Amino acid sequence: AQSVTQLDSQVPVFEEAPVELRCNYSSSVSVYLFWYVQYPNQGLQLLLKYLSGSTLVKGINGFEAEFNKSQTSFHLRKPSVHISDTAEYFCAVRGWEISNFGNEKLTFGTGTRLTIIP
Amino acid sequence: DTGVSQNPRHKITKRGQNVTFRCDPISEHNRLYWYRQTLGQGPEFLTYFQNEAQLEKSRLLSDRFSAERPKGSFSTLEIQRTEQGDSAMYLCASSLEVVENTEAFFGQGTRLTVV
Repeated sequence: AQSVTQLDSQVPVFEEAPVELRCNYSSSVSVYLFWYVQYPNQGLQLLLKYLSGSTLVKGINGFEAEFNKSQTSFHLRKPSVHISDTAEYFCAVRGWEISNFGNEKLTFGTGTRLTIIP
Repeated sequence: DTGVSQNPRHKITKRGQNVTFRCDPISEHNRLYWYRQTLGQGPEFLTYFQNEAQLEKSRLLSDRFSAERPKGSFSTLEIQRTEQGDSAMYLCASSLEVVENTEAFFGQGTRLTVV
């Protein structure tokens, strides 16, 4: 079964400082990778996704992520954070082997709470 | 607003009662998903539909849970004989089956509290 590991449950960062949120996933033949953001009492909003092609993916709000197949990682980065980036961030994977080709469900990590310190 | 809509946003119920949630997906989307999110955890897959067909169900979806999407548009999730462990945020998402642009759009969720 697919699994996603977000090692950091909480990350405090000073405003305007850079941030990296880590995500590792279990290997599959093929994967689609996603980062979602969740503000309090809200649903999930897609930040960015990797489906194929360039391993560096740019998303909304100045975020980017790099797909590293050899390290099975998809870390999220932002060069300069803002107070409004305070939220919960979830990494998700949709992966499949030959046996379950066409797997449609997303498997999420446990989330990283990003807190921006003024 | 043409996003995914979920109702109600909040539901408090007594243990043993039945509850039903509704999800209205983005109109042209043919896939609809239900996820459950407990406090401090990421969303967990429950089930998904392609049009009106329920194609996959998680082991998390016990016999007390049933989901329908009768006309391939809105969906309902019913929980019978609720238990305190059912307290969670229930999220609905929809997507369009286009491989090159596969993205699930989430609703704001229904928060269930079983007392």
